[in-house]
Amino acid sequence: DAGVIQSPRHEVTEMGQEVTLRCKPISGHDYLFWYRQTMMRGLELLIYFNNNVPIDDSGMPEDRFSAKMPNASFSTLKIQPSEPRDSAVYFCASSLSPDIGQPQHFGDGTRLSIL
Amino acid sequence: KNEVEQSPQNLTAQEGEFITINCSYSVGISALHWLQQHPGGGIVSLFMLSSGKKKHGRLIATINIQEKHSSLHITASHPRDSAVYICAVPYSGGGADGLTFGKGTHLIIQP
Repeated sequence: DAGVIQSPRHEVTEMGQEVTLRCKPISGHDYLFWYRQTMMRGLELLIYFNNNVPIDDSGMPEDRFSAKMPNASFSTLKIQPSEPRDSAVYFCASSLSPDIGQPQHFGDGTRLSIL
Repeated sequence: KNEVEQSPQNLTAQEGEFITINCSYSVGISALHWLQQHPGGGIVSLFMLSSGKKKHGRLIATINIQEKHSSLHITASHPRDSAVYICAVPYSGGGADGLTFGKGTHLIIQP
């Protein structure tokens, strides 16, 4: 089975540009999570969806960040305009219902560098 | 929000040694996760446990719900075990929730 697929793997862009990160969860998983990892703050939850509906976006740093899940097999995380402090590795994860003991499966991450 | 503390932050050991990594959290939880992150960056779920003990190969995870504490043990450690080990719990304790993470333990096993 294919795991969680993220694209691109690496993104380098200039400050002020729009950045779109993409995620395809494992088929059948009804939960999708976006996390960010930096040296200073470690791994942090940004937002998660259940059945394509955003449930908790309290971790989204500011209005420059937005996330959508238009269908069960695709989600995007968008940053507009991007800033150097957004440089991080962004992970997407998916799972079946966590409250019945299902682990989260992580994608390989997108390494984002904002110059 | 749940707070997670891990110790030690860094650990270097010789091949064959018994390794213990500790994790404590602040809010009662439905389950705790142990994750492994290799130098290439990928994150793998090792264990998800809500009580007692789980074993997978040379890895053992235990949890004490009353004390809000978990340990990850590696028996007969090997250089390929070198990685960052991360403890994670549900953000607000509940099951269907995003995770909040410890800072990780950087483990190096020397041959």
